[in-house]
Amino acid sequence: DARVTQTPRHKVTEMGQEVTMRCQPILGHNTVFWYRQTMMQGLELLAYFRNRAPLDDSGMPKDRFSAEMPDATLATLKIQPSEPRDSAVYFCASGSGLDRFNQPQHFGDGTRLSIL
Amino acid sequence: TQLLEQSPQFLSIQEGENLTVYCNSSSVFSSLQWYRQEPGEGPVLLVTVVTGGEVKKLKRLTFQFGDARKDSSLHITAAQPGDTGLYLCAGAKSSGDKLTFGTGTRLAVRP
Repeated sequence: DARVTQTPRHKVTEMGQEVTMRCQPILGHNTVFWYRQTMMQGLELLAYFRNRAPLDDSGMPKDRFSAEMPDATLATLKIQPSEPRDSAVYFCASGSGLDRFNQPQHFGDGTRLSIL
Repeated sequence: TQLLEQSPQFLSIQEGENLTVYCNSSSVFSSLQWYRQEPGEGPVLLVTVVTGGEVKKLKRLTFQFGDARKDSSLHITAAQPGDTGLYLCAGAKSSGDKLTFGTGTRLAVRP
């Protein structure tokens, strides 16, 4: 089965360091989503792309977070500088965007980020 | 403000019991999805409902979309330990709109 691949699976770093998370969407999917999941806030949408163009990044703190899609096979989420409150599990999901109603989203297994 | 409230938040039951999980909102959604998430993994889509009053069955799981398309329920018959996980509902207000996820229901089924 095709899967969304996220790297790294775990990341522990000190506050102030740059963090880069990567996502390889399912081949042929044209929509990519970045989510953050915490116990307190649940699953929150940070940003999403369609055909590599950013459509909505209103959920993302702009001063320190940035999301890009250098090509159709790679999406990145960067945090610079990182802070302890950024500790969470970050998920990437992709979809085909072809269905009339909101398409199913296929999630990766996440990056568990701990900022010390 | 959380648009989709799920209840209960936590549920621990014995294998073989039935249960119902609720997803409620004051907003109307054009479609609603249910996902299950297991520890260390991402959510996996179970079903999408799009018509008010729609009922869908997936083996022992029955999903219903409210007539007014503001709420949904998930009923599990004869729960098994393999049903353990975090159940999330997610709604889209219009076709092609981004999903808003619910607060989640964490289910534990004891053997």
